[in-house]
Amino acid sequence: GAVVSQHPSWVICKSGTSVKIECRSLDFQATTMFWYRQFPKQSLMLMATSNEGSKATYEQGVEKDKFLINHASLTLSTLTVTSAHPEDSSFYICSAPPGTSYTGELFFGEGSRLTVL
Amino acid sequence: DAKTTQPTSMDCAEGRAANLPCNHSTISGNEYVYWYRQIHSQGPQYIIHGLKNNETNEMASLIITEDRKSSTLILPHATLRDTAVYYCFVRVGNRDDKIIFGKGTRLHILP
Repeated sequence: GAVVSQHPSWVICKSGTSVKIECRSLDFQATTMFWYRQFPKQSLMLMATSNEGSKATYEQGVEKDKFLINHASLTLSTLTVTSAHPEDSSFYICSAPPGTSYTGELFFGEGSRLTVL
Repeated sequence: DAKTTQPTSMDCAEGRAANLPCNHSTISGNEYVYWYRQIHSQGPQYIIHGLKNNETNEMASLIITEDRKSSTLILPHATLRDTAVYYCFVRVGNRDDKIIFGKGTRLHILP
């Protein structure tokens, strides 16, 4: 089946630095990818929709200048957390619908756990 | 906001059937019912989805009421590995339609 891969799986950084998380569709092309954030013991919260070749669409309350999303190719979307602070520590998950073989299922990455010291 | 409501948590004995309910009373005619689960510190895993007919696959069965206002996910023989948070949501089913997650049900399988 289709596979979505995220990298890194976990990252620890100092406050004030920027961190980039990659989301790749390994065996299909994804014109759209979704980025979620999940705090401990909470549900997934949609942050933004990433569109290949155009600007991302952010959900209300999500700072677009803090969470930079780039979807430069049909298999790669990146989320950059700029000037990270401890409150940005979270589990970030991406999702992509498959291309031509779409049967209703959406595929999720394994998640990237960010810890900001 | 999520259009579904689920119990916060449930327990089920290992080997028994786990029946997880979901209410979606405002579901639209073109919206599918989806079920995913999330095992701790992993990405969500697809289980099953359906429009109005009952569905079954190798993982589970989905029973949708005739008025489509609620559904039940059935794990026929629960194992310890089925311990997870189970999310029910509705979406149109277009490739680019986003998912809005509710709080889900935390299922504990008891040995």
